[in-house]
Amino acid sequence: KQEVTQIPAALSVPEGENLVLNCSFTDSAIYNLQWFRQDPGKGLTSLLLIQSSQREQTSGRLNASLDKSSGRSTLYIAASQPGDSATYLCAVVQGAQKLVFGQGTRLTINP
Amino acid sequence: NAGVMQNPRHLVRRRGQEARLRCSPMKGHSHVYWYRQLPEEGLKFMVYLQKENIIDESGMPKERFSAEFPKEGPSILRIQQVVRGDSAAYFCASSPPTSGRIETQYFGPGTRLLVL
Repeated sequence: KQEVTQIPAALSVPEGENLVLNCSFTDSAIYNLQWFRQDPGKGLTSLLLIQSSQREQTSGRLNASLDKSSGRSTLYIAASQPGDSATYLCAVVQGAQKLVFGQGTRLTINP
Repeated sequence: NAGVMQNPRHLVRRRGQEARLRCSPMKGHSHVYWYRQLPEEGLKFMVYLQKENIIDESGMPKERFSAEFPKEGPSILRIQQVVRGDSAAYFCASSPPTSGRIETQYFGPGTRLLVL
């Protein structure tokens, strides 16, 4: 059974810092991995999707990497801003389009 | 192109009542997924449907919960005889028809169900 773990559960940093969020999964037989953002009381916004054959994806200040063999992914956020404050969710797809989510990292950027 | 729509956004029910949650997928999407987020927990897969078919319901509780995606109209997640433990945010996602590859799922804003 696939399990996805995100560390840390919460993170608070001053504005302007670069930061890394971690995601690990127990079964490396995945189709892809996605990072989402969830704002309080809102739905999920897809940030980056990495196919199993890829090593990384970049979008603006965000960079996600994938090491399938070790079961790890990282989300790197450069030059953090208060608007980046949200919960970040990692999810893997395994068969039949089913997403398995981690519990998220609650990020707070302090002005 | 409107995104995934869910209604109602908030729903309050008393124990024993029925809850009906609706999801309209994005235009052109024929696959719908339901996920549940319990308080202080991550999202958990419930069910995956295509038009008129349930593909995977491995995450659905065996009793009181049912889902459908008719040929016409929205997908419905139905919870009968709700209990306090059903209080959660229920998210719907949709994706386009697959062509042998895994498609990105687009999420709706969720329905927050509160059972009194």
